[in-house]
Amino acid sequence: AQSVTQPDIHITVSEGASLELRCNYSYGATPYLFWYVQSPGQGLQLLLKYFSGDTLVQGIKGFEAEFKRSQSSFNLRKPSVHWSDAAEYFCAVRNTGGFKTIFGAGTRLFVKA
Amino acid sequence: NAGVTQTPKFQVLKTGQSMTLQCAQDMNHEYMSWYRQDPGMGLRLIHYSVGAGITDQGEVPNGYNVSRSTTEDFPLRLLSAAPSQTSVYFCASSYGQRENEQYFGPGTRLTVT
Repeated sequence: AQSVTQPDIHITVSEGASLELRCNYSYGATPYLFWYVQSPGQGLQLLLKYFSGDTLVQGIKGFEAEFKRSQSSFNLRKPSVHWSDAAEYFCAVRNTGGFKTIFGAGTRLFVKA
Repeated sequence: NAGVTQTPKFQVLKTGQSMTLQCAQDMNHEYMSWYRQDPGMGLRLIHYSVGAGITDQGEVPNGYNVSRSTTEDFPLRLLSAAPSQTSVYFCASSYGQRENEQYFGPGTRLTVT
């Protein structure tokens, strides 16, 4: 069965510092991969997605993610964090044979001044 | 477009009561799904549908029923509410291609006493 692991429950970074959020998945083939962001009290919004082609994908708000097949990872990065990036981030996997999408437990990002 | 709408926003039930959470989308999306979000557990898939008349179980379907009589609507029914169903419920929809992201509603916060 497919699964998604986000090893960090929460991360604190200083404003202006770089950010990397980790995501590992378990699936037999290359799945479709997504990163979503959830601000407090809100629904989820897509940051970026990968399904084929270039393994480095760009998203909104200056985020990017890199798919590494050998490591079954899809880590999210941002070179310089802004205070408004404080939110919860979810990695999600959709298998190529259907529509079922599984989410990781999420990583809550705190940004300090 | 209103996007994905959910009603009610908040609900308090007593154990054993039943209710229906409403979800509607006006984007003509084929795929719709229901998730519950609990602290530290991310989003867990309850049920999903790939089109009118077609539904399937997700990770945590017990205690919930769904139906999809139209493309627009995907209600979630709690048959006999239990305190373990206290959660925030999100409905999501997407176009029928598997690489497409999901659009989320604002959520329904349900408390079962």
